[in-house]
Amino acid sequence: GENVEQHPSTLSVQEGDSAVIKCTYSDSASNYFPWYKQELGKRPQLIIDIRSNVGEKKDQRIAVTLNKTAKHFSLHITETQPEDSAVYFCAATNPNSGGSNYKLTFGKGTLLTVNP
Amino acid sequence: DAGVIQSPRHEVTEMGQEVTLRCKPISGHDYLFWYRQTMMRGLELLIYFNNNVPIDDSGMPEDRFSAKMPNASFSTLKIQPSEPRDSAVYFCASCPRGIYEQYFGPGTRLTVT
Repeated sequence: GENVEQHPSTLSVQEGDSAVIKCTYSDSASNYFPWYKQELGKRPQLIIDIRSNVGEKKDQRIAVTLNKTAKHFSLHITETQPEDSAVYFCAATNPNSGGSNYKLTFGKGTLLTVNP
Repeated sequence: DAGVIQSPRHEVTEMGQEVTLRCKPISGHDYLFWYRQTMMRGLELLIYFNNNVPIDDSGMPEDRFSAKMPNASFSTLKIQPSEPRDSAVYFCASCPRGIYEQYFGPGTRLTVT
């Protein structure tokens, strides 16, 4: 099955700096890569996702890049703010495997702390 | 819509007792997922359903765990007998067909003493 590795496990930045979180996956057939944000004591929520037919996707201060050859994808947060402090999870899946696969394999998470 | 609803929000029980966690997915969502979250193991998929039918239960840790979905608006995750190592936050999530974004419930924090 799919295996997703996520680094770093913790990341501390100063407000206004950029933050980058990286994930690698093992199944070359995976083609859907979402990122979830989980604030302390809250539920995970989708913040951005990318499919393998594109190399980069942006949404305001958040961007995700995908390198299919190397089987890795990254989350980039620019101009970080204290409210960006949370745990971020990457995930991977191939929605088309087995006809209808909705199983996400998650990375272990990155605790991002943005210091004012 | 109220989102995914889970109950109870907190459960404290003694080792050996039966625990039942409940979930109501978002109306119209065909898929329902049960996850377990711990510091050591992260977010693990236990089982997921499509139209009330279990599709993948490979993440269910052992026979003490069972899950059912008797209808489109209700699912249960049962642990019998419970053990201290089952202490975790259990999330239920749902998503509609063709849309892979999963909507998580608030979670149930289970403590087994």
